[in-house]
Parts: sequence; C-alpha cells; structure tokens
Amino acid sequence: GAVVSQHPSRVICKSGTSVKIECRSLDFQATTMFWYRQFPKQSLMLMATSNEGSKATYEQGVEKDKFLINHASLTLSTLTVTSAHPEDSSFYICSARPGDRASGELFFGEGSRLTVL
Amino acid sequence: AQTVTQSQPEMSVQEAETVTLSCTYDTSESNYYLFWYKQPPSRQMILVIRQEAYKQQNATENRFSVNFQKAAKSFSLKISDSQLGDTAMYFCAFAGNQFYFGTGTSLTVIP
Repeated sequence: GAVVSQHPSRVICKSGTSVKIECRSLDFQATTMFWYRQFPKQSLMLMATSNEGSKATYEQGVEKDKFLINHASLTLSTLTVTSAHPEDSSFYICSARPGDRASGELFFGEGSRLTVL
Repeated sequence: AQTVTQSQPEMSVQEAETVTLSCTYDTSESNYYLFWYKQPPSRQMILVIRQEAYKQQNATENRFSVNFQKAAKSFSLKISDSQLGDTAMYFCAFAGNQFYFGTGTSLTVIP
C-alpha cells in the first residue's frame, strides 16, 4: 500500500513556542491531505483539509491562526502549531488520498504526539 | 452533513469466537466508500476492509467481513476466529467528498 510518513513522532516544547509537523506521501502524489487531532480513547477529529496550491479548509471551531497548514507540493503538507499552549497537547495524525480517487482510501501517517509544557 | 455512528463504545470477545461491530451512517451522497480502520496501541491507523457503495456484494478480507445494508445505511464488521492481535480501537469511516470517522469501538479479545 501507499506510504505516508509523519515527522516528528514525538515533540515536547515550551509554552509560547511554535512547532511544525510534516506529512509526506512517499510513493504517490496527494492533491489532498487531511489533518486530524485525537484525544485519548476518542475518535479522530478532522481539523482541516489541505489542498495542494491553495488555502486549507478548516473545520468549524478550529483556529486558522493557531494551526497553520501549508501544502506546497503534491507530496508534502505541514501543520504548524503557533504559540503553543498546554491545551494544544494532543496526538496529531495526517492522512493523504492519492490523486486517483478510485479507491477513496486514506493512508495515514504514524502520528505525532505533541506535549506543551 | 455526514455522520457516522458507532453505538458500542466497548466490546469484548473470547479468543477464537466471532464478534460483530455495528456502524450506521447518514448521507445524501450516492457515490461513496465505507471503511473499517483498526488502531492498535501503537496508534497507527490500519485499513481492515473497504466497501464500495455501488457494490451489493459484501466485502470479505480473510477473517473480516462486512454486512452492508445500503438502504438502512448500516455497515457492520464481523470478525471471525478472533485473535489476541485483534485487540484495538475500530473506527468505521465514510468517504465521499469528505472523510468522516465514527466514534470508535474498543475491542478486547480475551485469552
């Protein structure tokens, strides 16, 4: 199957700093990538849809200025958590859908655990 | 808006037995896909099985099969001969123009 790589897998930062998480599709081009946030023992909450070459579409309640998403190429999307606070601590997962939507399947990164001190 | 509902937050099954996880969804789209994903303690999302909405035949993948009832908008997952490695969170997912997950079912396989 297609491979999506997410980095870093774990990051600890101080309150007020910014953190960047990268999501790469290694063997396919992804015109669309999705960013999810997951709290312990809960489902994945869609934060935003990232489209290559255009602005991301954010879900209701997600702060655009807090969670900056950039999808500069067909294989890379980044999520930057700006001015992080302890309540931003969570597990963040990216996923990508190949350009060919025949399968509709999403391929997931390994996830990134963010801890804000 | 699409919604995906999993009414069983937690389930358990004896090893080698069969268990069924339920999922219902709501949509006005006619062309979509349905998935079951597994999330073990490692938290890596793993595709278990896929169903195209236009196909009447239920998908099967080794010990995993689905009961897809399009009119009822129901998409349950049956796991046969349960194994300890099946212990995980299971998410039902809808894929149309957007991708939505259900709330998840925590499955524990008991030795």
